[in-house]
Amino acid sequence: AQSVTQLDSQVPVFEEAPVELRCNYSSSVSVYLFWYVQYPNQGLQLLLKYLSGSTLVESINGFEAEFNKSQTSFHLRKPSVHISDTAEYFCAVSVSGNQFYFGTGTSLTVIP
Amino acid sequence: ETGVTQSPTHLIKTRGQQVTLRCSSQSGHNTVSWYQQALGQGPQFIFQYYREEENGRGNFPPRFSGLQFPNYSSELNVNALELDDSALYLCASSLRTDAGELFFGEGSRLTVL
Repeated sequence: AQSVTQLDSQVPVFEEAPVELRCNYSSSVSVYLFWYVQYPNQGLQLLLKYLSGSTLVESINGFEAEFNKSQTSFHLRKPSVHISDTAEYFCAVSVSGNQFYFGTGTSLTVIP
Repeated sequence: ETGVTQSPTHLIKTRGQQVTLRCSSQSGHNTVSWYQQALGQGPQFIFQYYREEENGRGNFPPRFSGLQFPNYSSELNVNALELDDSALYLCASSLRTDAGELFFGEGSRLTVL
């Protein structure tokens, strides 16, 4: 079975500072990896995904994540955060596209 | 392009009652998945429907059941409600041949008293 661990439940960071949200997974087979963002009282929106190819993937709003197979990690980074990045972030893995396994989430709070 | 829509957005039930939640998938998507998100937790997979057939199920009891209709919309039914069923229920649609992305609705928040 697959599982996802998000090590930090809450991450406060000052505006324009860099941030890293950590995600580790366990799986005995190849996986697809995702980061989703959830704003208050809304559903989840895809931030970025790794399916194959380059291990570094980027989103349109400046986030990036790197797939590290040896460390089974898929950490999310942004070099300079904005107030609007305040949200809950979920890491997820999927084996076949059938079932997604989500972590417990990291609450990112950007402080002015 | 119409996104995933869910109804109702909020509802309150009492223990032992039954509830039906509804979902319209995004245009062109033939697969619907349902997830339960308890407060402070990540979404947990309930089941997936592809072309009106169940195509995978998570660790939920049989009182959680579903349907998918020919237009790919879906229902989630929960019988004999328990207090622990209080959660946000998320519907997500996708293309069966796409290994990538789930498109989520905004969810139905169920409170069981």
